[in-house]
Amino acid sequence: DSGVTQTPKHLITATGQRVTLRCSPRSGDLSVYWYQQSLDQGLQFLIQYYNGEERAKGNILERFSAQQFPDLHSELNLSSLELGDSALYFCASSAGQGAANTIYFGEGSWLTVV
Amino acid sequence: AQSVTQLDSQVPVFEEAPVELRCNYSSSVSVYLFWYVQYPNQGLQLLLKYLSGSTLVKGINGFEAEFNKSQTSFHLRKPSVHISDTAEYFCAVSRRGGSEKLVFGKGTKLTVNP
Repeated sequence: DSGVTQTPKHLITATGQRVTLRCSPRSGDLSVYWYQQSLDQGLQFLIQYYNGEERAKGNILERFSAQQFPDLHSELNLSSLELGDSALYFCASSAGQGAANTIYFGEGSWLTVV
Repeated sequence: AQSVTQLDSQVPVFEEAPVELRCNYSSSVSVYLFWYVQYPNQGLQLLLKYLSGSTLVKGINGFEAEFNKSQTSFHLRKPSVHISDTAEYFCAVSRRGGSEKLVFGKGTKLTVNP
């Protein structure tokens, strides 16, 4: 158990819909990351927040947005969903900002768009 | 930008045999290097990381990896594998001095047969 909690574990939704994925980081961790894992693209970094502020942005679509709240939990919002958005979405957390910090991953949220 | 190439998508081995999973990276700046493991239906777990110092890094579950700067490689090895090592293994890099964003390879599926 990494200490990173993600909900829901599985989600099936229709094209055009909007979903929210939730993440609670490990106790004391200030950084939260979102990654997407799909068969064709592999593991792709989406976005990182540190103590409520956006710190780094990766291959995140404009239809997707995220935020980190004062209690440090984070949400990833996916809208106007397409079939190609079906993937495993990971949340991860680390203690600080330096690249040497170990990043701990949650078990992921499986999203299926039908 | 950084990139990671995992040279083998699948590696089948017999139990108690040695194994090497190959990883090459490309970067114009200094990097940190990581190996993560993903067991079926689970999140990613850190096996080991190279930050600095000795180029031979020991990790959990008997795995080790060697950083070779001249060959830009970070191959993962285990002298004797078990059935329970069956999983997908990901090599990753992050830029020194930058965000902790991890850039992952496509993964290597290790299957240990009895």
